[in-house]
Formats: sequence, structure tokens, C-alpha cells
Amino acid sequence: AQKVTQAQTEISVVEKEDVTLDCVYETRDTTYYLFWYKQPPSGELVFLIRRNSFDEQNEISGRYSWNFQKSTSSFNFTITASQVVDSAVYFCALSEASSGDSNYQLIWGAGTKLIIKP
Amino acid sequence: ETGVTQSPTHLIKTRGQQVTLRCSSQSGHNTVSWYQQALGQGPQFIFQYYREEENGRGNFPPRFSGLQFPNYSSELNVNALELDDSALYLCASSLLYSHTDTQYFGPGTRLTVL
Repeated sequence: AQKVTQAQTEISVVEKEDVTLDCVYETRDTTYYLFWYKQPPSGELVFLIRRNSFDEQNEISGRYSWNFQKSTSSFNFTITASQVVDSAVYFCALSEASSGDSNYQLIWGAGTKLIIKP
Repeated sequence: ETGVTQSPTHLIKTRGQQVTLRCSSQSGHNTVSWYQQALGQGPQFIFQYYREEENGRGNFPPRFSGLQFPNYSSELNVNALELDDSALYLCASSLLYSHTDTQYFGPGTRLTVL
């Protein structure tokens, strides 16, 4: 069965430190997409990245980088030189090509609350 | 291009009442999904609509129902409200009916059931 695990419930670091948020997924599909979303205290889920199962290249966007490793079924997210504005709950999610219910729902992890202290 | 909008922002109801939440999809998006997010948890899929038809439902009872209109706006209706229905309800739209497409979320409606 499909599943997304974010083992870190909460992480607290001091500003300017680097921090990595872990995401491990389970799926029987060979074709799937992985996502990261940010949820600030306001509640809105903000899309950060989408990665398909055939593209294992790491991606960097400014201070954000993502490491996708199929061998370990992981899609980890690193923030370099963290800032207070990065404080939020971060969710990892999975979307599979085949779904028994013919819908394309996202399967979510429980989220990691990231606290950046000044 | 406007993003996904939801109304109302907050809502307080009492047990047994009915509620309607509304969502306007991002321009050009024909697929809308609804999620329930309880405090401290990840979102849970309620159902998805494509071209005005429900395409898939999560583990939610029939008292959760929805509609999608020709302009791709959407409603979530919940009958016979229970205390456990208190949550943030999120609407997400996507351009394509496909697992490849990104879902973009609205700000949510926070429902409190007393």
C-alpha cells in the first residue's frame, strides 16, 4: 500500500543553520510523483517542488535543495542557511499513476514542524 | 491569473447542522480536490471532481458531498455535523486530470463544530 513517512515531528534550529527534512515513501507503482508543500501558520499549503519517479537528479532552488534516491525510497529536503521565515510545517506527498479509485489524490506524510530561532 | 480562493475563512456551527464550503479554482483548472486537515495532522483526501463528476472518494461517509460547476468552482457540503468534523478544509485545483499535475491549494476554511 502507498504510504509517506516523515519521521521528524518537529525540528528546531538556530537561524543560518542548515536543516534537512526527511521523507520516505512506499509505493508499488513504477510511475509516481513526489511533492513537497510548505504550510505556514496562515494555513495555506504552498507548492514547493514536484519530482517524477524517472528523474533522480537532485534539484536546487535558491536555498532549497532536494535529494531523491529511489534505492532508499527517500525524497529529502534541505534548507541551507535557514531563516526565520522558513518556519512552517512541511509536508511530503505522493501521487501514483495507477489508483484503484481512478482519482489522483495525494498521499500525505504527517508533516514536520520546522522552527527557526533568531 | 488568480489563485485558488475559498470561502468563508472561518465558520462556527453546532452539532447536527449542515454546512456548505465554497472554492473557486485557479483559472483554467478543471480538476478540484477537497481535503480535511485536523489539527496537527496531514491532509486527508475527501473526494475529487473532474468535469462536474465525482472521481474518487476517500474514507469519508456520504454526509460529505460535493458539487463542481461548469465554471469549475466547487462546493463541499457536510450534513449532520459532528464534533470530529472540526478541521481545516482545503480545496486544491489542478490543470489536468492526471497524477502528473500539481495541485494548488486555497487558504482553507476553518470549521469549528460546537
